[in-house]
Amino acid sequence: DQQVKQNSPSLSVQEGRISILNCDYTNSMFDYFLWYKKYPAEGPTFLISISSIKDKNEDGRFTVFLNKSAKHLSLHIVPSQPGDSAVYFCAASAQGAQKLVFGQGTRLTINP
Amino acid sequence: GAGVSQSPSNKVTEKGKDVELRCDPISGHTALYWYRQSLGQGLEFLIYFQGNSAPDKSGLPSDRFSAERTGGSVSTLTIQRTQQEDSAVYLCASSFRTSGRAGTQYFGPGTRLTVL
Repeated sequence: DQQVKQNSPSLSVQEGRISILNCDYTNSMFDYFLWYKKYPAEGPTFLISISSIKDKNEDGRFTVFLNKSAKHLSLHIVPSQPGDSAVYFCAASAQGAQKLVFGQGTRLTINP
Repeated sequence: GAGVSQSPSNKVTEKGKDVELRCDPISGHTALYWYRQSLGQGLEFLIYFQGNSAPDKSGLPSDRFSAERTGGSVSTLTIQRTQQEDSAVYLCASSFRTSGRAGTQYFGPGTRLTVL
């Protein structure tokens, strides 16, 4: 049972445009969400997070939006840069649980 | 400061052999996690250590997999009698202890295991 789903395995965006990565979850107990970025041959690196008490969190070019009623979150990158090309994972956690549950990842390619 | 380190970076082994993978967490991090990522898949949780508490082994796929954490720091993941389906990237992560939930985890570069 995939509790966190990233339905787009890949996304291609032109440099300078907005990249939107989506993530859906099924467990209503999840109340903290994170995005990680992974380059080939490296471990995932933490990018940005959001608590369920917020619906938006912004850090520079990265903004995460949370829609609790739809159990959906998205990561917006604007403007997209070639160095943003990587695999992006969303992850979720619940109060009382010490595990993060990860989605399958979306490979983002930024085209010059 | 140093990040999470893992060794070896690559391991090729023959089916049926045992392997040991090592993780050095960030100093001061009391929580340590092992995940694996098979080709085209997401991160699959394997095991979690928190301080001196009993580890959460709920993600270990079979009794061929075991892990220990010595002195609350370095961890070793052991896979006995490796099978081809064990081929994956094994990732270690560490975090500070947080009250009641998983904190932000910091990952090592992973060990790519190939079982021939």
